[in-house]
Amino acid sequence: DVKVTQSSRYLVKRTGEKVFLECVQDMDHENMFWYRQDPGLGLRLIYFSYDVKMKEKGDIPEGYSVSREKKERFSLILESASTNQTSMYLCASSSAGASGNTIYFGEGSWLTVV
Amino acid sequence: ELKVEQNPLFLSMQEGKNYTIYCNYSTTSDRLYWYRQDPGKSLESLFVLLSNGAVKQEGRLMASLDTKARLSTLHITAAVHDLSATYFCAVDRSNFGNEKLTFGTGTRLTIIP
Repeated sequence: DVKVTQSSRYLVKRTGEKVFLECVQDMDHENMFWYRQDPGLGLRLIYFSYDVKMKEKGDIPEGYSVSREKKERFSLILESASTNQTSMYLCASSSAGASGNTIYFGEGSWLTVV
Repeated sequence: ELKVEQNPLFLSMQEGKNYTIYCNYSTTSDRLYWYRQDPGKSLESLFVLLSNGAVKQEGRLMASLDTKARLSTLHITAAVHDLSATYFCAVDRSNFGNEKLTFGTGTRLTIIP
């Protein structure tokens, strides 16, 4: 059974804290993604990685950074959390190569910044 | 900038009825995805449509893609309660097909007994 695991489901952090969201996939996928989901806005791509140590900015990278030191793990970092980063964060992965691969999503991490 | 619009945003329908969700997008792409999301849950892949005229069906759901019109539809036949969920379409805007998706805002579907 394929799996994308987000280690923290629910977090409450204070403004200004550094926040780490971890994601691990067990499918040997090359591509990994971080999205945030907000009501009325759908999902928006924050960062994308197509290989270890490689990353690309998505649509809303401001205030975020990422790290991919190992193929199976993709971390999202909020350098200094702010209240407007309260959201649900979804990690996803897919195989490289032919287009139209299934993208697998994790269960999501609900972050509240107070 | 690619824009993806779904309509309707909210849909209540009776069991047994048919309905269609529409997904319009603003730039050329021939790779479109449909997902389902239950409340508090992650996204479940429903369909991947990879070419003009593509049609896929699974149970009571059928998706189609018209790349010339930049339109995809998700048709629900004889709705049942367990189809209640939020449905998203998403367009792959990457040049290399590496699934950088732009999502619509979702259609919240409620099936009423």
